[in-house]
Amino acid sequence: DGGITQSPKYLFRKEGQNVTLSCEQNLNHDAMYWYRQDPGQGLRLIYYSQIVNDFQKGDIAEGYSVSREKKESFPLTVTSAQKNPTAFYLCASSTTTNEKLFFGSGTQLSVL
Amino acid sequence: GESVGLHLPTLSVQEGDNSIINCAYSNSASDYFIWYKQESGKGPQFIIDIRSNMDKRQGQRVTVLLNKTVKHLSLQIAATQPGDSAVYFCAERSDTNAGKSTFGDGTTLTVKP
Repeated sequence: DGGITQSPKYLFRKEGQNVTLSCEQNLNHDAMYWYRQDPGQGLRLIYYSQIVNDFQKGDIAEGYSVSREKKESFPLTVTSAQKNPTAFYLCASSTTTNEKLFFGSGTQLSVL
Repeated sequence: GESVGLHLPTLSVQEGDNSIINCAYSNSASDYFIWYKQESGKGPQFIIDIRSNMDKRQGQRVTVLLNKTVKHLSLQIAATQPGDSAVYFCAERSDTNAGKSTFGDGTTLTVKP
């Protein structure tokens, strides 16, 4: 089945630690995205990538980093500079940047 | 700045009734609008979309209406079922800001049996 796979489903971060969230898609989509969702709120864009080896900051990129070395993969690193990382993180992809998004099942990140 | 908002954070309907979820947007340059459904603990799922050159689009049991004059979008669900219980988000995009969808805060729909 085609789709987007996020792992892990739950992740815990210690103080000062960097953690990486995985996102893989086999839909052959060019564009990929990372969103953050806080309880009772909408989605906020962290980073997006329209093509391999290129990505742009979204509205809340501070404290996060990404890479796009392969079309299928768009990992997100939550660095120690992100002081409030507890949230539900969603990865998405689309054929182009002007089409509907296909979402993964999310990663819940919590701080120990 | 840009914002996309929903009129009501919660909506409760009886099974079998029709549901209407509303959304107001402020960016007059928006030209593509999407409704997503999110069940608890899962990622949002596409329901239906509409482009700015249309004012109505129908899917299976769902209809989206777009009123560009007052910058208003609505999602109508016919014969609402318990499986429709979820959070519904509207999102908008513009060609001049490709890649950046702006999401509203969501409306929680509860269907009573």
